Amino acid sequence: DAKTTQPNSMESNEEEPVHLPCNHSTISGTDYIHWYRQLPSQGPEYVIHGLTSNVNNRMASLAIAEDRKSSTLILHRATLRDAAVYYCILTWNNDMRFGAGTRLTVKP
Amino acid sequence: DTAVSQTPKYLVTQMGNDKSIKCEQNLGHDTMYWYKQDSKKFLKIMFSYNNKELIINETVPNRFSPKSPDKAHLNLHINSLELGDSAVYFCASSQEVQFSETQYFGPGTRLLVL
Repeated sequence: DAKTTQPNSMESNEEEPVHLPCNHSTISGTDYIHWYRQLPSQGPEYVIHGLTSNVNNRMASLAIAEDRKSSTLILHRATLRDAAVYYCILTWNNDMRFGAGTRLTVKP
Repeated sequence: DTAVSQTPKYLVTQMGNDKSIKCEQNLGHDTMYWYKQDSKKFLKIMFSYNNKELIINETVPNRFSPKSPDKAHLNLHINSLELGDSAVYFCASSQEVQFSETQYFGPGTRLLVL
């Protein structure tokens, strides 16, 4: 019962930017928006998180809509190593629920 | 210098057996978690411990019993294993119990019950 909606899959070309969308229309004021990714046969890996403002780190950028009902994870230049399942998660009520995520395929 | 480590990486066992999975973190974190990822790849939290005390206990059969000897370790013991227990089990840790904290995951333990 994840409270986010993501496309099942997306494709990108290597070295091009990727925009991974996430809808979370029932987000509450105290929910943080987290993004994790899971590479094949590995544990989930933290990517980025935010509350209201856009965030940047060495891995990605997070753009949060003004009403906070959606967000977009931006990979500025996709590499083959970015192929993974990307999870958008709202942390609510001291709980973190993973949904199905978006499977990102990166084509050379 | 692995941050969160789990042993064993693979575990194949017969139905009805009892097994344990060990988890250790060297990050100095106060909170540790167990997650289960089933065949459909959904990750679900099972337990969380903060400073050796149970914080979250999801609807998990009481055949599953977490044990935290100290805050760097959270082991998972499973009694009377069933076919449906086959999954990948991930341990994770975070600095504090708040879920706004970044969680660091281990590599997973692949359990197959025959």
